[in-house]
Amino acid sequence: AQSVTQPDIHITVSEGASLELRCNYSYGATPYLFWYVQSPGQGLQLLLKYFSGDTLVQGIKGFEAEFKRSQSSFNLRKPSVHWSDAAEYFCEVYDSWGKLQFGAGTQVVVTP
Amino acid sequence: ETGVTQSPTHLIKTRGQQVTLRCSSQSGHNTVSWYQQALGQGPQFIFQYYREEENGRGNFPPRFSGLQFPNYSSELNVNALELDDSALYLCASSREVGQSGANVLTFGAGSRLTVL
Repeated sequence: AQSVTQPDIHITVSEGASLELRCNYSYGATPYLFWYVQSPGQGLQLLLKYFSGDTLVQGIKGFEAEFKRSQSSFNLRKPSVHWSDAAEYFCEVYDSWGKLQFGAGTQVVVTP
Repeated sequence: ETGVTQSPTHLIKTRGQQVTLRCSSQSGHNTVSWYQQALGQGPQFIFQYYREEENGRGNFPPRFSGLQFPNYSSELNVNALELDDSALYLCASSREVGQSGANVLTFGAGSRLTVL
């Protein structure tokens, strides 16, 4: 069955430290891949997307993600986290048949 | 360029009642999707509307229904509310399938429904 997995429910990181959020998917072909961020009480904001081409994609707010076909992964990274990055992050997968699925999300807490 | 707006932002209903949530799509977008996000979970796809017709549906019962209007705005209706319907309901708009950026969703801030 097709699935999207975000293994880490909750991550705590110090301000200024690096951050990596994991996303794994199980689909027959390479889907379109997205990362969204959701602040409390807000809708989802698109951080970045991968459709094809260069497997390292740059997004807004200093985020980047790398698509690794061999690992069926699309991990999100940020070299230096700011307090304003505290939020929930969702990986989304959209396949060629129009099926869309979100991961369960990773809650990021930033400590001083 | 206006974003996606949803109303109401919060509402409380009791079991068995009916609710209507509204969504105005972003300028230039003609496809609208609805999602249910329960507490601590990712958004779950309810359905999508394109050209005023349902264009895909997730695993939700028929008591979840929708409409899209000629101006591309949309409504989500839920009948016979159950306690488990308590959630944040998100609307997202996008461009027509086949157009550049068709798979990129722009989300509204959501309508938080509490069923007592």
